Amino acid sequence: DAGVIQSPRHEVTEMGQEVTLRCKPISGHDYLFWYRQTMMRGLELLIYFNNNVPIDDSGMPEDRFSAKMPNASFSTLKIQPSEPRDSAVYFCASRGFSTEAFFGQGTRLTVV
Amino acid sequence: AQSVTQPDIHITVSEGASLELRCNYSYGATPYLFWYVQSPGQGLQLLLKYFSGDTLVQGIKGFEAEFKRSQSSFNLRKPSVHWSDAAEYFCAVCSSNTGKLIFGQGTTLQVKP
Repeated sequence: DAGVIQSPRHEVTEMGQEVTLRCKPISGHDYLFWYRQTMMRGLELLIYFNNNVPIDDSGMPEDRFSAKMPNASFSTLKIQPSEPRDSAVYFCASRGFSTEAFFGQGTRLTVV
Repeated sequence: AQSVTQPDIHITVSEGASLELRCNYSYGATPYLFWYVQSPGQGLQLLLKYFSGDTLVQGIKGFEAEFKRSQSSFNLRKPSVHWSDAAEYFCAVCSSNTGKLIFGQGTTLQVKP
């Protein structure tokens, strides 16, 4: 397996634009997580899914953020409209029922 | 509520010295516990994990950690640090009931020559 795949690796966008981050988890994994990493707040859990169903989205900062998992092999995190304070590295991770989480390489988002 | 605390934000040790990074968690039942390492610009790599059984777990790169239920701790240790160990280290706790996985704030390790 190629591991968790995130795209794009880097995204630069203007304030107010819509941003979509993508993630392909490891095949067979039941859980998918979205995290945001910043210097100030560390690694924050935004939302996680179990068997494609969102379980806990309490970490999603605002209504501008939304996440979907239409099938077991794909998830998106969308920010609409984007703001400069959304600039961060966004990580996707997946894990099986009794395994550790495997992380993607992250998407570095810059909103100008 | 589930939480993880890494009390030390930044630690500096000399190469060859021993290392201990602290991690305390809050969780009602026995959690799954992890240590990850992150080099600059990279994703997170698993160092070691605890699910059950022997409370002293061995990981990659010569690291080990000990689960102490009475102290709600899962401290990471290495007997002799190498310059290449300089990185950021994250402790994580996963609920065995819900699968929710959260991370501590991280500890940045600097290694002096």
